[in-house]
Amino acid sequence: AQSVTQLGSHVSVSEGALVLLRCNYSSSVPPYLFWYVQYPNQGLQLLLKYTSAATLVKGINGFEAEFKKSETSFHLTKPSAHMSDAAEYFCAVRSGLGQGRLYFGRGTQLTVWP
Amino acid sequence: GAGVSQSPRYKVAKRGQDVALRCDPISGHVSLFWYQQALGQGPEFLTYFQNEAQLDKSGLPSDRFFAERPEGSVSTLKIQRTQQEDSAVYLCASSLARLGDTEAFFGQGTRLTVV
Repeated sequence: AQSVTQLGSHVSVSEGALVLLRCNYSSSVPPYLFWYVQYPNQGLQLLLKYTSAATLVKGINGFEAEFKKSETSFHLTKPSAHMSDAAEYFCAVRSGLGQGRLYFGRGTQLTVWP
Repeated sequence: GAGVSQSPRYKVAKRGQDVALRCDPISGHVSLFWYQQALGQGPEFLTYFQNEAQLDKSGLPSDRFFAERPEGSVSTLKIQRTQQEDSAVYLCASSLARLGDTEAFFGQGTRLTVV
């Protein structure tokens, strides 16, 4: 079975500060991992995905995430926060053997202060 | 179309009313998913289609929920005799194939409020 835990439902940072959003996963088989961003009243937009090609994954808007199998983690980072990064972020896992359904975490609301 | 389109964007239903939510996936996308997102929660899987075949409906919360994709493109999620606990955002997603690393593209969702 697959599951995702996002530590911290709310994260606040100052503009220009490091962003770190935590995600731990549980999967019985090698997983595919995703980070999505959701702006108010919008659908989910893919930020980046891990598909076993490289453990450090770079995504859009300056975000990146590192897959650490020993820690079962896939934390999302950005060196310098921008006001436009304020949104809800979801980590998701999909089994490589599955039919494509995603298992999402509960989400982390990122607030960026000026 | 350019993206996944869902209609209506907002729906208010009286308790006990039936509702139908529509999803237009990206043209050519084989896989189609429905998710339910309650307030303050992550999306929860409802059901999955590969073309017109409903291969997984294990996430449908009750027999009041029904989904179809008769011609392998547009899909409809129907909720009969709506209850207050059905209030949520219903998201539709489509992807080109069923491979595990294929990106799923999401629509903007339908916000259902049952009063």
